[in-house]
Amino acid sequence: LAKTTQPISMDSYEGQEVNITCSHNNIATNDYITWYQQFPSQGPRFIIQGYKTKVTNEVASLFIPADRKSSTLSLPRVSLSDTAVYYCLVVGQGGKLIFGQGTELSVKP
Amino acid sequence: ETGVTQTPRHLVMGMTNKKSLKCEQHLGHNAMYWYKQSAKKPLELMFVYSLEERVENNSVPSRFSPECPNSSHLFLHLHTLQPEDSALYLCASSHVQGTSIYEQYFGPGTRLTVT
Repeated sequence: LAKTTQPISMDSYEGQEVNITCSHNNIATNDYITWYQQFPSQGPRFIIQGYKTKVTNEVASLFIPADRKSSTLSLPRVSLSDTAVYYCLVVGQGGKLIFGQGTELSVKP
Repeated sequence: ETGVTQTPRHLVMGMTNKKSLKCEQHLGHNAMYWYKQSAKKPLELMFVYSLEERVENNSVPSRFSPECPNSSHLFLHLHTLQPEDSALYLCASSHVQGTSIYEQYFGPGTRLTVT
């Protein structure tokens, strides 16, 4: 049975790079790993998605090792507006969608 | 604007009431989802519809009844709820091709309070 593990919370300061890792064992071999951002009382918002190695877009990078047992979301030079909860989403064996518990990121001035 | 709308945004209902939540997506997606998010807890997937067919039902109590009349609309019918059902109910849609699920677009959610 697939399971995900993320740190419950992280603190950072403006301008720093933040890396959030999600451990996920026994996930489907052919499905994407996706990360979402959620602000209070809003629905999650897509950040980035990847299958393996490294993916980069205008807001983040995603690192996925060859064994796909973890993934790391990297936010460069965070600002106060990046304070939010970050979730990883994986697909378990059998196609079951599994959200991580979420990492509450607090960015301080 | 995410392209996924939900109504109502807030709902207060008694345990004997019957109400429905509505979700509409304008993105041309072929899959829609209902999630429950309780305070300080992660998202719990409730139902998945792909091509208007229910493909996943995560042991949700029968007092929650989904309906997907077409690929753009999704309903969640509620009856005889319990106070512990109070939560934020989120709808999402995505494109699905084979077993690959692409990025989900979420609506703003319905904040449900059961009294």
